[in-house]
Amino acid sequence: KQEVTQIPAALSVPEGENLVLNCSFTDSAIYNLQWFRQDPGKGLTSLLLIQSSQREQTSGRLNASLDKSSGRSTLYIAASQPGDSATYLCAVRASGSRLTFGEGTQLTVNP
Amino acid sequence: EAGVVQSPRYKIIEKKQPVAFWCNPISGHNTLYWYLQNLGQGPELLIRYENEEAVDDSQLPKDRFSAERLKGVDSTLKIQPAELGDSAVYLCASSPRGEGSYNEQFFGPGTRLTVL
Repeated sequence: KQEVTQIPAALSVPEGENLVLNCSFTDSAIYNLQWFRQDPGKGLTSLLLIQSSQREQTSGRLNASLDKSSGRSTLYIAASQPGDSATYLCAVRASGSRLTFGEGTQLTVNP
Repeated sequence: EAGVVQSPRYKIIEKKQPVAFWCNPISGHNTLYWYLQNLGQGPELLIRYENEEAVDDSQLPKDRFSAERLKGVDSTLKIQPAELGDSAVYLCASSPRGEGSYNEQFFGPGTRLTVL
């Protein structure tokens, strides 16, 4: 059974700092990995999707990497802003289209 | 382009009452998912539809939960009767197709259910 772990569970940083969120998964036989953002009381917003054949994806200040063989992904946020405060969820997709999610990292960026 | 639409956004009911949630996926998306998210946890899949066919409902508690997607577009998830432990956020998602690696899922805002 696929298990996804996210570290740290919570993170508080001052504005402007670069930061890294970590995601690990137990079964490397995945199709892709997706990073989401969830604001309090809201649904999930897709940030980046990395296919199993890719090493990284970038969108603006966000960069996600994937090392499938070691079962790890990182989400790098550059020059963090208070508006980045949210919970960040990592999810992997194996066969059958089911996404398996981690429990998330709750990020607070302090002005 | 409109995103995934869900209603209601919030629902408060007493235990043993029935409740239903509605989802309209992104236009043209054949695959629809219902997820359950408990507080402080990631979402867990309840059921996946390919058009009108439920192709993965292994984690749906079928004694009290049911779902339908009759015309292969919008979907309804029902709980009858609701229990205290059903209090959670129910998320709907859609994707262009189910199988295949190029499959990004898009989520709706969710329905927050509170069972008293």
